[in-house]
Amino acid sequence: DTGVSQNPRHKITKRGQNVTFRCDPISEHNRLYWYRQTLGQGPEFLTYFQNEAQLEKSRLLSDRFSAERPKGSFSTLEIQRTEQGDSAMYLCASSFGTGNWGEQFFGPGTRLTVL
Amino acid sequence: QQQVKQSPQSLIVQKGGISIINCAYENTAFDYFPWYQQFPGKGPALLIAIRPDVSEKKEGRFTISFNKSAKQFSLHIMDSQPGDSATYFCAASGGTDKLIFGTGTRLQVFP
Repeated sequence: DTGVSQNPRHKITKRGQNVTFRCDPISEHNRLYWYRQTLGQGPEFLTYFQNEAQLEKSRLLSDRFSAERPKGSFSTLEIQRTEQGDSAMYLCASSFGTGNWGEQFFGPGTRLTVL
Repeated sequence: QQQVKQSPQSLIVQKGGISIINCAYENTAFDYFPWYQQFPGKGPALLIAIRPDVSEKKEGRFTISFNKSAKQFSLHIMDSQPGDSATYFCAASGGTDKLIFGTGTRLQVFP
């Protein structure tokens, strides 16, 4: 399967714990995005990488959230000291482009439940 | 100014009918308008997209109509099928290509 993959698919954690999600983009895609989707809402942009550089972060991304893409390939999203409000689907997308609006391909998401 | 407003929230259509979903935006810097389809438990999948230099784009049973002066665009699904039952999201981007999504429309197509 050459699509975007995300692991784990589901994560249940207790409030206050740290969690880390992984995203493997489509091979050779230079852009990688993280979005968060809550029930009944559209995805909300969190952050975006071009190669290994993190180019933009949303105000939604508090200091408890950190994302990395160390070698310009896979990316990790870590949430420290999780809160119940962090419960959501975390979606990763990738695209190839040097200008604007490369088509974004989404992974299946990681569903986080914070108890 | 970053919002994309989508309506209706839900839509029920009979098999063979036309499904129409509408979106409106305010930011004139937006220059890319995709529509995504999402099934339960899956990530969004791109259906069709348009740039503002054309007023209509058709791919199979899916058509985007774009009205630049009104800052509105819509998705038409012709000959709707039960397999089209899903949630549809419009989106927009400009400048940095991060997508701003609408709130979604849950489409149910009954046989």
